[in-house]
Parts: sequence; C-alpha cells; structure tokens
Amino acid sequence: NAGVMQNPRHLVRRRGQEARLRCSPMKGHSHVYWYRQLPEEGLKFMVYLQKENIIDESGMPKERFSAEFPKEGPSILRIQQVVRGDSAAYFCASSGGTENTEAFFGQGTRLTVV
Amino acid sequence: GENVEQHPSTLSVQEGDSAVIKCTYSDSASNYFPWYKQELGKRPQLIIDIRSNVGEKKDQRIAVTLNKTAKHFSLHITETQPEDSAVYFCAAPGEETSYDKVIFGPGTSLSVIP
Repeated sequence: NAGVMQNPRHLVRRRGQEARLRCSPMKGHSHVYWYRQLPEEGLKFMVYLQKENIIDESGMPKERFSAEFPKEGPSILRIQQVVRGDSAAYFCASSGGTENTEAFFGQGTRLTVV
Repeated sequence: GENVEQHPSTLSVQEGDSAVIKCTYSDSASNYFPWYKQELGKRPQLIIDIRSNVGEKKDQRIAVTLNKTAKHFSLHITETQPEDSAVYFCAAPGEETSYDKVIFGPGTSLSVIP
C-alpha cells in the first residue's frame, strides 16, 4: 500500500497562472480531504470529497479555487490566477469513510507563487 | 460547526520532563479525538486517538485523557526526548453526522531541550 500520494511535491507558479495539485488516496479509501497550511500556522480545512461528490467545501475560497474527485483518477485541487497569498503547503488526506477512522496524510504539495 | 481550541501555542520543556497539551471543542456530539504530530517539513501523522467511550488511553510515553462533560481532552507526553520536538495538532469531528471530516486545533509547537 503506497499510502496517500500527492504530486507534485513542489510547485512554482507565477502570479496569474494556474496550479493543479493531485492526490491519490490510499487503496480502498473513498474519502478525500484537502487542507492548507500557511508557514508557521496550523492546518485549515478546505474541502471534503467523496467519489464524484463534493460533500463540504465550506473552507475553500469561493473564487479561484475548485476541487474534484472523479470516478477514475486522483482528486484535483485547482487554483486559478494564483496570487502570492496562495503560497502554502497543501495537504491531502484520505480515510476509509466508516465512522471514526483515521485520516492518513500525503506528503503535501508546497506551492510557491513568485 | 465545530470549533477546536488548543493551548499552549508553544511549549518548551527540559529533556525528561513531561509535556501536557490541552484542547477544547464545541460540538457535544463529537466522539472521536485524534492527535497528530508534524515534524518540520513533514506530513502530519497520527500518534494516538481516543473515542468517547473511554476516559483515558495510553501508548508507551504518550497518553490522552478525555472529559466529555467539560468538552476537553489532553495529550500527555512523559519522559520527553529531543525527537518529541514537533508541532502537535488535536482534532475533533467537524460535523455531528460526519465523523470523517476533522477540524484541527491551531497546533502546539513543542521544543524539548537536551
């Protein structure tokens, strides 16, 4: 079991470009969560997805950010027209979806906007 | 929604001493409380969790206690070692009916001084 895989590990984008962050959950997991961590800060919930459904996106900015988890393939967090303030580590976690199960984190994608 | 507070935000202890980190939560229906450890530049990893049907759980040098009436739970690390230095996050379920979405506390940066 390869665990939660995120790529790329590091991503540099110029202001105004688009950033695409990918997350493949652990085998057998159907629930995916995205968290953002600014430097020296905690983990902020962004969005919770199940296959083909967004369950809760209350932590995701209404503009420029979107997320999906298609039937086939990884979950994608997309940030359009990136700004310097988007620079952060973005962590994906997955769980099995049954009550009170551990969420396993990926290594994160460190986005730098220049 | 759930609100998780964590204290202290930073903690320094001498090697061999104990460290205690406290968290409070707001949703009385919450019944699963994990603790994550994040070393510098790495992903958060689960170190211990507790469910509401028990008041205390131990795993070698770490223990977690839960007081459901007061809605707080604590992480106890005994005989601290330099490798315990990290940021520790408590978490609680974000929704009464969805235990998979966890909301993290702001984190406690623990430094163990040799």
